[in-house]
Amino acid sequence: QVTLKESGPVLVKPTETLTLTCTVSGFSLSNARMGVSWIRQPPGKALEWLAHIFSNDEKSYSTSLKSRLTISKDTSKSQVVLTMTNMDPVDTATYYCARIRRTVAGTWWFDPWGQGTLVTVSS
Amino acid sequence: DIQMTQSPSSLSASVGDRVTITCRASQSISSYLNWYQQKPGKAPKLLIYAASSLQSGVPSRFSGSGSGTDFTLTISSLQPEDFATYYCQQSYSTRITFGQGTRLEIK
Repeated sequence: QVTLKESGPVLVKPTETLTLTCTVSGFSLSNARMGVSWIRQPPGKALEWLAHIFSNDEKSYSTSLKSRLTISKDTSKSQVVLTMTNMDPVDTATYYCARIRRTVAGTWWFDPWGQGTLVTVSS
Repeated sequence: DIQMTQSPSSLSASVGDRVTITCRASQSISSYLNWYQQKPGKAPKLLIYAASSLQSGVPSRFSGSGSGTDFTLTISSLQPEDFATYYCQQSYSTRITFGQGTRLEIK
């Protein structure tokens, strides 16, 4: 059974750096056809993709947040870490990690998702 | 970035109705389009991948179609558990984008 679980602080202050960890089980981060992505959702709003990383260390970041984000992985620990600098109250959201499945044809999708973790930015 | 636009933003329907949700991409994305269902307080769940492939375990009343810029998600006969928010997502570009969501409510 494939599972992902997000962990990190529930409350951060403005200007601080957020560090979130996604711990996966049931698949390996060294699998060439799989990766992990971070997606967030402000309360009552739509999903917003943030970043992803694949087994070969291929990474991609949201255009609007690229300067603030860093994604990395520790294959031996089955963990993917996302850091976001200079947090602001508008970054208050539920943060999800999700497994990426990628086919030989190049199409890919998110399945499954972690349960999500609500991060509030407030002084 | 590729923009994804869903319509309608919200929809009221009754159990047993046939419902169609549309997703339009700002440029051609071939068949690199996925659909997700999200219920309140829960993580999204994959329904359809690669525009028309039904994810394992998803009821056959869900179907997807389209290619290029225009896509549809159809629920053939609404069930009470289908009332939720639906999102499309493109994976043509490595910079992923989602639609703004379609909220499906009980009439």
